[in-house]
Amino acid sequence: SAVISQKPSRDICQRGTSLTIQCQVDSQVTMMFWYRQQPGQSLTLIATANQGSEATYESGFVIDKFPISRPNLTFSTLTVSNMSPEDSSIYLCSVLSGFGGEAFFGQGTRLTVV
Amino acid sequence: AQSVTQLGSHVSVSEGALVLLRCNYSSSVPPYLFWYVQYPNQGLQLLLKYTTGATLVKGINGFEAEFKKSETSFHLTKPSAHMSDAAEYFCAVSETTGNQFYFGTGTSLTVIP
Repeated sequence: SAVISQKPSRDICQRGTSLTIQCQVDSQVTMMFWYRQQPGQSLTLIATANQGSEATYESGFVIDKFPISRPNLTFSTLTVSNMSPEDSSIYLCSVLSGFGGEAFFGQGTRLTVV
Repeated sequence: AQSVTQLGSHVSVSEGALVLLRCNYSSSVPPYLFWYVQYPNQGLQLLLKYTTGATLVKGINGFEAEFKKSETSFHLTKPSAHMSDAAEYFCAVSETTGNQFYFGTGTSLTVIP
């Protein structure tokens, strides 16, 4: 299994500002995943972060809005840039236990943009 | 790409009654199948998973699910609901050839005393 520490757990931010979310895993993993969970909805994959290369973004998500860093095999950050109220969501990082294995999730960051 | 359908965004059951949460997936090749639970203000926790082998899988907290290839389904059940089961439940699949997870839209379970 993997233990994922994600912070902050919640934040209230002013529109137009940026927030960086940190994700720390207790073991080395090749890929880390960032999801968004809008109120009352399911999880949507934002991007996949590999160490040593640029993140791969899903349709509808762009690097300028959601820049991701992956400096090593246990850590990643997601920045939500130039925030608007529409960015109010829960953001979750995730890793896989291995090929075909389950996904492990951080506790999530509940972001409210006012 | 896969799609995952969870019938019923809200399900209410009485305490002690059977819990049945439905999940269907779209794939000609059986994927790996998962059920996750999300309690308020928390991340997702794995309930159970199916990869290969026995099609009836048992998970934590008395939940189980049965993989039915012919019906492309992976419904979650629990014989007797408990108040602590009230949460959001997500069905998810991952392709056997990749790492991406696909989540259903979730089912909010309410347990009535």
